[in-house]
This record gives sequence, structure tokens and C-alpha cells, in this order.
Amino acid sequence: NAGVTQTPKFRILKIGQSMTLQCTQDMNHNYMYWYRQDPGMGLKLIYYSVGAGITDKGEVPNGYNVSRSTTEDFPLRLELAAPSQTSVYFCASNLAGTAEQYFGPGTRLTVT
Amino acid sequence: ELKVEQNPLFLSMQEGKNYTIYCNYSTTSDRLYWYRQDPGKSLESLFVLLSNGAVKQEGRLMASLDTKARLSTLHITAAVHDLSATYFCAVVPSGGSNYKLTFGKGTLLTVNP
Repeated sequence: NAGVTQTPKFRILKIGQSMTLQCTQDMNHNYMYWYRQDPGMGLKLIYYSVGAGITDKGEVPNGYNVSRSTTEDFPLRLELAAPSQTSVYFCASNLAGTAEQYFGPGTRLTVT
Repeated sequence: ELKVEQNPLFLSMQEGKNYTIYCNYSTTSDRLYWYRQDPGKSLESLFVLLSNGAVKQEGRLMASLDTKARLSTLHITAAVHDLSATYFCAVVPSGGSNYKLTFGKGTLLTVNP
């Protein structure tokens, strides 16, 4: 049971490039989330999903897109990367009705 | 808008001492979480507090929740170096679904020999 996995671990993008951050969980969790963490700050919710085919915006969705075609996968797409998107991105998941979110190891993204 | 405030944001303490981290939140909530994050690592769940008066303990850490005061505390007893990390509280508003956690900024704890 790998839990929540994320790829890549690190990435450097040039301004205007695009990329997809991958997130997979093998716990059959319904709910999945994307957060970003800026230095010295808590986590802020970007997007979340309550099941395959259902996604919704969180607190800071601008510049990102998501899709959820399967229960296991929840990729985050960055279009036209900007320096303000330099951050550490965490994916998390939990079962509907349970309290605890399980976090992946994170992706450290730098946009220059 | 739900606001979650932790204090202190930085805490340097000596091994063997006791201290408390505070987490205040601005709207009613029936779920509060404490997480630990080591430098460069992901978040690890410590405690889930689901009702007023809830108290949970694990080793040298004890968390409590007072929903009337909108306050949770994380008490550290006889600190050891291994407890050095950043501690976050996170809150879900009452009536909210099991998502949209709002995090505090975190408390960076350094335990010195």
C-alpha cells in the first residue's frame, strides 16, 4: 500500500511553460485535494474532488486546472507558468465521512 | 471567511521543558486537526479532535479542543530534540463537507539540548 504518491519530486519551469503534476492514491479514497505551501505559510487549497468526474475550486484556483477521470488519479495542470506559482504542491486524499487527510510527499516547483 | 491563527509562530525551547501551542479559529467548527511537518517533508497527521472537550495524547504531545472558546491547544511535555518540527492546526467549519481544510501558518518548534 503506497498511500499517496506524487511525481515529479522537483521541477524547474520557465515562465510561460506548462506542466502536469501527477497524484495517485491506492487507498480507494473518494476525496482528493491539491494544496500549495509557500514559505512560512500554511497550506492553501487549490482544487478538490469528491469523486471521479467531480471537481471544484478551492481558495486559490487561478492558473490551475484539474481533472478526475478515475478514483485513483488527480492530476494538476499548470498552464502558462508564472513566478507566483513557485511553491511546494501537496496532494492529499481521504474517504468520504472520515476525518483524516493523507498527504503525498510533495512536488517542489520553481518557475523562473 | 474562516481564519485560523496559531501562536507562537516560532518557539525555541530547551529539552525537558513544557510548553503549549495555541490555535484559535474564527467560526464554529466541529473538526480540528493537528499535523506535523519535518523540514522538506510532507505532513503527518498527529491528532483529530471531533468534539468539545476532546483530549488526545500521544507520547509527549497532548491536544485538546474547546469549541465554545474556538480554541485548541497542543501541549508539549518534557520536550526532546526529536520533537523539533513545524506543527500546523487545520479546521473544517461546522456544516462543511469533509474538505476545505483551513490551515494556520504553523508553529516552528526548535528543541535545544
